[in-house]
Amino acid sequence: LAKTTQPISMDSYEGQEVNITCSHNNIATNDYITWYQQFPSQGPRFIIQGYKTKVTNEVASLFIPADRKSSTLSLPRVSLSDTAVYYCPPKTAYGNNRLAFGKGNQVVVIP
Amino acid sequence: GAGVSQSPSNKVTEKGKDVELRCDPISGHTALYWYRQSLGQGLEFLIYFQGNSAPDKSGLPSDRFSAERTGGSVSTLTIQRTQQEDSAVYLCASSSLAGGAYNEQFFGPGTRLTVL
Repeated sequence: LAKTTQPISMDSYEGQEVNITCSHNNIATNDYITWYQQFPSQGPRFIIQGYKTKVTNEVASLFIPADRKSSTLSLPRVSLSDTAVYYCPPKTAYGNNRLAFGKGNQVVVIP
Repeated sequence: GAGVSQSPSNKVTEKGKDVELRCDPISGHTALYWYRQSLGQGLEFLIYFQGNSAPDKSGLPSDRFSAERTGGSVSTLTIQRTQQEDSAVYLCASSSLAGGAYNEQFFGPGTRLTVL
């Protein structure tokens, strides 16, 4: 499974846009890029998924360059409730869809 | 509209004892996954079920770990002769089916296992 690397921690002020980047140096052709959010004492929650270019949903945008060696999750106007750990596991488009989580990126939103 | 549930939420056991962790997936979800999250670590895949079969057990760390799923629903993860390094949060996830591009996994709240 492809490995992902992320920065460990970042702080942001409430109301700002937050961009979190993940490296996918070994991503496979059939892998999708997914992002999950995890609050303390809870399981991860799916945020968004993409293959390439840009994907947007009601909570976030995902930017994937043409080489797919990285991805950037963009959270517009973060609030305190966005404080969480964010993961970017690749997911194969076939087979068992097991997720290979890295250590994640802790985002702390400051009032 | 219940999500994935897990029990117990917390389990404290003594080294050498056996433990059973339970997962109730979302009704109708055929794919079920177990992951483990140790302190300060990311989530580590353990095992995957499709229906009652486990075609991928490659993440189980040792033969002390086993899992089963019955009726295509409830799954039990069993750890025999627990060791202190087994202490972690064990997370279960389910999805409507595996092998598709857009099947997200829904996670339960986890079981925190502490081995003394």
